[in-house]
Amino acid sequence: DAKTTQPTSMDCAEGRAANLPCNHSTISGNEYVYWYRQIHSQGPQYIIHGLKNNETNEMASLIITEDRKSSTLILPHATLRDTAVYYCIVISLSGNTGKLIFGQGTTLQVKP
Amino acid sequence: DAGVTQSPTHLIKTRGQHVTLRCSPISGHKSVSWYQQVLGQGPQFIFQYYEKEERGRGNFPDRFSARQFPNYSSELNVNALLLGDSALYLCASSLRPSGELFFGEGSRLTVL
Repeated sequence: DAKTTQPTSMDCAEGRAANLPCNHSTISGNEYVYWYRQIHSQGPQYIIHGLKNNETNEMASLIITEDRKSSTLILPHATLRDTAVYYCIVISLSGNTGKLIFGQGTTLQVKP
Repeated sequence: DAGVTQSPTHLIKTRGQHVTLRCSPISGHKSVSWYQQVLGQGPQFIFQYYEKEERGRGNFPDRFSARQFPNYSSELNVNALLLGDSALYLCASSLRPSGELFFGEGSRLTVL
């Protein structure tokens, strides 16, 4: 599975869009980009995933560059409850063992 | 709908003891994965079970073992506890071995 690189921390003003970048320059053609977040003292929560097209759900949008070497998770209107550690994970679904490799993630602090 | 449930939520053990942690997956989910999260780090993959068979194993010593029961619930056993085993143990379930995982709130183990 490809390695990902994320900034250690980011701040965002409440009500503004939070844009969290992720680099995955060694991603393979059959590998998906998944995003999870972990609010303090809770288990990780699935947010969104994509292969090459941009994706949107009720929580967030995922923008993947055309060369697939990087992506951005967008929380359109951040609230204080979005303060969490955000993990970008690249995995192949074929033959996957359910193993997610979590890095250090990005600690997003949403400020009033 | 009930999410992934884990028990106990907190426990304290002493070095050399053993511990059993339990996990009930979301109804209909046949895959269960276990992760260890040491304070300040991302979760690390320990095991994945699907249809009662081990499908993946992380880089953990043989002191760690697990099993999945016919009702798809799972147990994680750790023998000869060390201080370094103090961590949050997370269980995640999914419909299939791959795909998005749904995590429980974890069992926090303290080894004294």
